[in-house]
Amino acid sequence: GDSVTQMEGPVTLSEEAFLTINCTYTATGYPSLFWYVQYPGEGLQLLLKATKADDKGSNKGFEATYRKETTSFHLEKGSVQVSDSAVYFCALLYTGGFKTIFGAGTRLFVKA
Amino acid sequence: EAGVVQSPRYKIIEKKQPVAFWCNPISGHNTLYWYRQNLGQGPELLIRYENEEAVDDSQLPKDRFSAERLKGVDSTLKIQPAELGDSAVYLCASSLASGVGETQYFGPGTRLLVL
Repeated sequence: GDSVTQMEGPVTLSEEAFLTINCTYTATGYPSLFWYVQYPGEGLQLLLKATKADDKGSNKGFEATYRKETTSFHLEKGSVQVSDSAVYFCALLYTGGFKTIFGAGTRLFVKA
Repeated sequence: EAGVVQSPRYKIIEKKQPVAFWCNPISGHNTLYWYRQNLGQGPELLIRYENEEAVDDSQLPKDRFSAERLKGVDSTLKIQPAELGDSAVYLCASSLASGVGETQYFGPGTRLLVL
């Protein structure tokens, strides 16, 4: 079945460090791919998305490219801030059942 | 624009008791979702509504869980009776419609603890 695999956390970085959170997926057809972020005490918020191969989603300095050949959607940011500390979820939406499947989440801690 | 509203935010009950969660989606959003998020995991879909109709409830444990969305607006998710394993965060989300790339907007969730 369809699934999403994320790198395990927690990931701990110093402020201004480069961030990569790996995400790979298994899906039939052509899903849309998403990154959601969950700040402490809040609900999930859409961070960025890509709906077809080679699309790049970007928002707030984060970006991810839909790579069909490697079935990946890795999240990157060039310089993280303390305020980026949160849990990040990779997700896919496949149109067959209109169902979103989430990865387990990766917790990011950024130290000042 | 108001976001997705959920209540209560926290609920502590004893096992075998009933519990209900309420969700008011973003105005104009036809699609409403209920998810369960266990500790350290991503959300898992329980049920999806298109207006008043439950179009995907395959993951809803129907022996104890029920949901309704009267008039195609707000929705209630009920558990009766609750079990220890039901302790989780219950998330409600809404979207304009279902489809390719459709963005879901999440509420803050209801954190349930069953003792």
